[in-house]
Amino acid sequence: AQSVSQHNHHVILSEAASLELGCNYSYGGTVNLFWYVQYPGQHLQLLLKYFSGDPLVKGIKGFEAEFIKSKFSFNLRKPSVQWSDTAEYFCAVIYSGNTGKLIFGQGTTLQVKP
Amino acid sequence: EPEVTQTPSHQVTQMGQEVILRCVPISNHLYFYWYRQILGQKVEFLVSFYNNEISEKSEIFDDQFSVERPDGSNFTLKIRSTKLEDSAMYFCASSEDPRYSEQYFGPGTRLTVT
Repeated sequence: AQSVSQHNHHVILSEAASLELGCNYSYGGTVNLFWYVQYPGQHLQLLLKYFSGDPLVKGIKGFEAEFIKSKFSFNLRKPSVQWSDTAEYFCAVIYSGNTGKLIFGQGTTLQVKP
Repeated sequence: EPEVTQTPSHQVTQMGQEVILRCVPISNHLYFYWYRQILGQKVEFLVSFYNNEISEKSEIFDDQFSVERPDGSNFTLKIRSTKLEDSAMYFCASSEDPRYSEQYFGPGTRLTVT
């Protein structure tokens, strides 16, 4: 079955700490990969996406993610978090053959302490 | 920046009643989606819509659900006879392309069925 899992449900960090959020997807052929973020009281918005090419992709606000095909993973990283990064983060996948159907992980709540 | 809007922000209804959730996608987008998130659970795909037809629907999207684009701007989700388990946050999204572009999400409608 097509599925996405995020390993961390709730992460608490101090400002300037490094962040890595795990995301794995089930095997299903070609995939397009996304990380979305939802800041408190705001819409889901795109952080970054991967379709093909360089497996290390850079997104907004200093975030990056690495696609490792052999591990079916697409982990999100940021070298130094800020208090304003407090939000919920969602990994999502479109499998080939799906007509735009995003399959989401369960989300990770990140709390950054000032 | 263009955005997806949804109305109402919160709808309370009694079990068995019909509800219509409304969305205004971004004007030049051609692909439209509904997702829902039950409290504490994953964001789940409900349906995708293109060219006035459903492209794909999930198992959740049974005969109680329908979607419509009644005019050039609105995209609606109707639940014919609501159940307690339909209580959730419903998100509308739109995109230019089903696989290779970002889906833009609305702020959501919180549906509470009593």
